Amino acid sequence: GDSVTQMEGPVTLSEEAFLTINCTYTATGYPSLFWYVQYPGEGLQLLLKATKADDKGSNKGFEATYRKETTSFHLEKGSVQVSDSAVYFCALRPSGYSTLTFGKGTMLLVSP
Amino acid sequence: DTEVTQTPKHLVMGMTNKKSLKCEQHMGHRAMYWYKQKAKKPPELMFVYSYEKLSINESVPSRFSPECPNSSLLNLHLHALQPEDSALYLCASSLLEGLAGGPGETQYFGPGTRLLVL
Repeated sequence: GDSVTQMEGPVTLSEEAFLTINCTYTATGYPSLFWYVQYPGEGLQLLLKATKADDKGSNKGFEATYRKETTSFHLEKGSVQVSDSAVYFCALRPSGYSTLTFGKGTMLLVSP
Repeated sequence: DTEVTQTPKHLVMGMTNKKSLKCEQHMGHRAMYWYKQKAKKPPELMFVYSYEKLSINESVPSRFSPECPNSSLLNLHLHALQPEDSALYLCASSLLEGLAGGPGETQYFGPGTRLLVL
């Protein structure tokens, strides 16, 4: 079946550091890929998405590129802020289906 | 506007109580979802409604009873819950569901209801 694997957290960084959160997936066909962010005590917010190979999703300084050859969708940000502290979920939606398969989530902690 | 609203924000109930969670969206979305999220875990799908009809039930116990009275509203009726049902309950919506949805069909989540069962 489909699956998403994310790096274990927490990831701890100092403000202005470079961020990478790894995400790889297993799926048949051509899934759509998503990053959601969950701030403490809140619901999930869509951060960015990509629907086909080589697409780059970007939002609020975050970027991720859909790499079919490596089945990856790594999240990056050049300079993190304290306000980026949250849990980040990578997810896929198989083509033709609406259900999402989530990774386990990666907690990011950014200190001043 | 991509807002999904949920009420109440917090709920404490005993095991013999009956309560309901409410979810609302005004984006014209025709698919709505209930998820359950335990601490430090990803959301788990419970139910999917498509055009106000139950499309997917992920083998959820009958003490959870969903209802979709119209295209904007989704309820989750709770009865005789157990302490292990304590969790964050998230509602989501998307424009369409399944094969009708195109690439990039996105689910938008509400803020959730944090439920504690005593």
